Amino acid sequence: AQKITQTQPGMFVQEKEAVTLDCTYDTSDQSYGLFWYKQPSSGEMIFLIYQGSYDEQNATEGRYSLNFQKARKSANLVISASQLGDSAMYFCAMRESNSGGYQKVTFGTGTKLQVIP
Amino acid sequence: DTEVTQTPKHLVMGMTNKKSLKCEQHMGHRAMYWYKQKAKKPPELMFVYSYEKLSINESVPSRFSPECPNSSLLNLHLHALQPEDSALYLCASSRPGLVTDTQYFGPGTRLTVL
Repeated sequence: AQKITQTQPGMFVQEKEAVTLDCTYDTSDQSYGLFWYKQPSSGEMIFLIYQGSYDEQNATEGRYSLNFQKARKSANLVISASQLGDSAMYFCAMRESNSGGYQKVTFGTGTKLQVIP
Repeated sequence: DTEVTQTPKHLVMGMTNKKSLKCEQHMGHRAMYWYKQKAKKPPELMFVYSYEKLSINESVPSRFSPECPNSSLLNLHLHALQPEDSALYLCASSRPGLVTDTQYFGPGTRLTVL
C-alpha cells in the first residue's frame, strides 16, 4: 500500500524568506507520480507542481521547486520568496500507476503554512 | 480552460431532505472524482468514474448516490444524510492515459447537515 507522510503539522515563515515543506513516501511501484497541492481557507485544491518517478531533473514552477530524492523517498516542496498569499494548507500526494484510465491518489495529512509579515 | 465548476457553493439540509451536488468540466477529461474532506484532514476518495462508468466506490454508504450522465457532468445525490456527513465535497477530473497529468479540482461544496 502507498503511504505519504508529512511530519510538519504547522510551519511559520517570514515574508520574502524561503521555506521547505517535508514529504516522504512509501511505495513498491517503480512508476509513480508525486504532486503538491495548495488549499487556501476558501477550500479549492490548487495544483502546484508534479514530479514523475523517472524524471531526472527536479521539477520547478515559478517560485515552487520540488526537491526529489528518490533513494531517500522524499519529495520536499521549496517555496522561495514567501508571500502573504502563500498562507494555506499544503498537501503532498502520490499517484499510483493503473491502467483503468483514472488516477488513484493518496494524500498526506498536510502542513499548514503561515507567512508572517 | 482548466476549470471545474461545482454547484452549489454552500448547502444546508435536514436529515430527511434529498439534494444533489453538481460538478461540470469542459476540458475533455474522461475521469471524474468525488472526494469528501473534513476540517483539517486530507481529502478522502469516495467515487471514481472513468469513461462514464463507475470504477471505484470506496465503500461509501448508500445515502450517497453518484451519477455521471455524460462525460462533462458528475452528480452526487444525497438522501437521509447524518450530521457527521457535514464536510467539504470536492469534485475533480483528469485526462486518461497521461501519466504526467494532474487532477483538477473544483472549488467544492460546503455541506451542513442539521
